Amino acid sequence: EDQVTQSPEALRLQEGESSSLNCSYTVSGLRGLFWYRQDPGKGPEFLFTLYSAGEEKEKERLKATLTKKESFLHITAPKPEDSATYLCAVQAQSSGTYKYIFGTGTRLKVLA
Amino acid sequence: NAGVMQNPRHLVRRRGQEARLRCSPMKGHSHVYWYRQLPEEGLKFMVYLQKENIIDESGMPKERFSAEFPKEGPSILRIQQVVRGDSAAYFCASSPGLAEETQYFGPGTRLLVL
Repeated sequence: EDQVTQSPEALRLQEGESSSLNCSYTVSGLRGLFWYRQDPGKGPEFLFTLYSAGEEKEKERLKATLTKKESFLHITAPKPEDSATYLCAVQAQSSGTYKYIFGTGTRLKVLA
Repeated sequence: NAGVMQNPRHLVRRRGQEARLRCSPMKGHSHVYWYRQLPEEGLKFMVYLQKENIIDESGMPKERFSAEFPKEGPSILRIQQVVRGDSAAYFCASSPGLAEETQYFGPGTRLLVL
C-alpha cells in the first residue's frame, strides 16, 4: 500500500536553531515529491517539487532533498515566521491516473 | 493572476441539509482535485475532475457525495443530507494538466454540521 510518513509530528526550535524534517515514502510509480507549507486556517502553499533521487531545491532558509526512500526539508537558522505545518506529498501512479498521497505533516514552532 | 478560489470560506449546516462547495481553478488550469482534511489528519484525496469529466473518484464516499466540473463555471462538491461526521475542511486544488503535476491549493471551505 502506498504510504507517506512524516516525522517528527511536532518540533519546537529556538530562533536560529537549524533542523531537518523527514518524509519517508513507500509508493509504486513515483512521479514526484512535493513539499507544502500550511498556516492555520489556510490552504497548503506550494514550496518545492522533487522528481529524482539526488535532486535538491532551495528557497530562502529552506532546502529540500530527495533519496529513493525519503525526503528531507532542512531549515537553516529559522525565524518565528517559519512556524507552520509542513506537508509532504508524493504523486504516484494508480489505476491509470496520478494521485497525491499526503503525510500528516510536521508542526513546526520557532520561538523568538 | 488570481489563485484558486473557493467559496464559501465557512459553511454551517444542520444535519440533513445539503452543502454545496464551489471551486474556481487558477486561470489556465483545467484539472481540479478535491481533498478533505480532518483535525490532526492529513489531506485525503476525494476526486479528480477535468472539464465535464470525472477522472478518478476513488476517494469519494459512495453515498451522499458528488462532484462536477461543468464546461462553464466552477467545480462543485455537493454533500447531501449532511451528518456531523462531514464536518471538516474541504480543499480544492488545480493544475494545468498531467505534464505539470504541481497542484495549487485554494483557501478551503470549513464545513460545520450542527
